Amino acid sequence: AQRVTQPEKLLSVFKGAPVELKCNYSYSGSPELFWYVQYSRQRLQLLLRHISRESIKGFTADLNKGETSFHLKKPFAQEEDSAMYYCALKRDTGTASKLTFGTGTRLQVTL
Amino acid sequence: DGGITQSPKYLFRKEGQNVTLSCEQNLNHDAMYWYRQDPGQGLRLIYYSQIVNDFQKGDIAEGYSVSREKKESFPLTVTSAQKNPTAFYLCASSILRGRGTGELFFGEGSRLTVL
Repeated sequence: AQRVTQPEKLLSVFKGAPVELKCNYSYSGSPELFWYVQYSRQRLQLLLRHISRESIKGFTADLNKGETSFHLKKPFAQEEDSAMYYCALKRDTGTASKLTFGTGTRLQVTL
Repeated sequence: DGGITQSPKYLFRKEGQNVTLSCEQNLNHDAMYWYRQDPGQGLRLIYYSQIVNDFQKGDIAEGYSVSREKKESFPLTVTSAQKNPTAFYLCASSILRGRGTGELFFGEGSRLTVL
């Protein structure tokens, strides 16, 4: 069965400090991993996907199949990064985007 | 203003009553989804639909029902058989093919409280 694990419920960092939000997954098929973000009073939205290998708002994430991880990183945290972050795994079944979500990590960036 | 519209935002119901949550999208997406969000549990898939008049059970479909009579609409009924219905419900939509798969567009959610 597929599973996504985010071990930290809350991560508190100072502004300017590096950020790493952890995500591990278990899945027997070919995984597609995503990070979704929910800012205060906003809808849940896609932040980035591993296929694109892009940097969004300074965040990057590399899929490590050996360690089955997809950690989200940013070298210097900003106040506006404070939000709830969800790691998600797309199951390789059919064409629908059936995502399995982790339990989420709240990032708190303080001055 | 394109997007997903869920209604109502807040809903109270007595035990034993069915309640229907509305979800409408004007993004011309083929696929629509219902997720349930509980504290500390993330989002769990209830039902999804890839095409009009067709839908599939997700991971926690028991006690729920859906319909997809129109491409734009995917209402969710929480029946009296759902043992723990108090939760936050999120509707989403997506394309089915192409580079954008995996990107779900979410509504603002509906909070259901059973009294």
